[in-house]
Amino acid sequence: DAGITQSPRHKVTETGTPVTLRCHQTENHRYMYWYRQDPGHGLRLIHYSYGVKDTDKGEVSDGYSVSRSKTEDFLLTLESATSSQTSVYFCAISEYWNSPLHFGNGTRLTVT
Amino acid sequence: AQTVTQSQPEMSVQEAETVTLSCTYDTSENNYYLFWYKQPPSRQMILVIRQEAYKQQNATENRFSVNFQKAAKSFSLKISDSQLGDTAMYFCAFMKEAGGGADGLTFGKGTHLIIQP
Repeated sequence: DAGITQSPRHKVTETGTPVTLRCHQTENHRYMYWYRQDPGHGLRLIHYSYGVKDTDKGEVSDGYSVSRSKTEDFLLTLESATSSQTSVYFCAISEYWNSPLHFGNGTRLTVT
Repeated sequence: AQTVTQSQPEMSVQEAETVTLSCTYDTSENNYYLFWYKQPPSRQMILVIRQEAYKQQNATENRFSVNFQKAAKSFSLKISDSQLGDTAMYFCAFMKEAGGGADGLTFGKGTHLIIQP
């Protein structure tokens, strides 16, 4: 299995608070992604990265920001969490742009 | 933009039966990749199979095979000799051929497959 660690695994936070989710990989893969999974929607891309300091927006990027200062770490930040951001968040990595994505185990975030 | 449609929200079959999950997609791209992922109750996303659009031969992985019909934009997954461990959500996903960066996968909404003993 690809070495991907997401932290935390679970988090409960209040509306309006900042939240940062971390994705750490040990595979030295160039590409990293953040998805959210909601019932009835499948997985939707939030942001992705194609190298250190190189990031771009996905389908549902509003309210989220990302940073990648090292190859191995990709951070997802909710500047001011809202209840609509309650979801399961998945990080994924791929070695090349057309490689299959390998996923972390997800972070369940609840915003109350 | 690409869209992926899985028209079967839920399916249930008996153990050892063969089951086919449907997936259609809409794209103007000529070169792309298609995937099936499995998500068991553990929540882990597991790659099942991958198909390159430029390959006419259908991909197979043990009990899993696909029926790729490029003109019809159809990509169904067949599971033979189904097992209890195949119970999971199955997601069809599309990846376009990227020019510069890579924008990952576009997923369908999933099919919940239940294998009955």
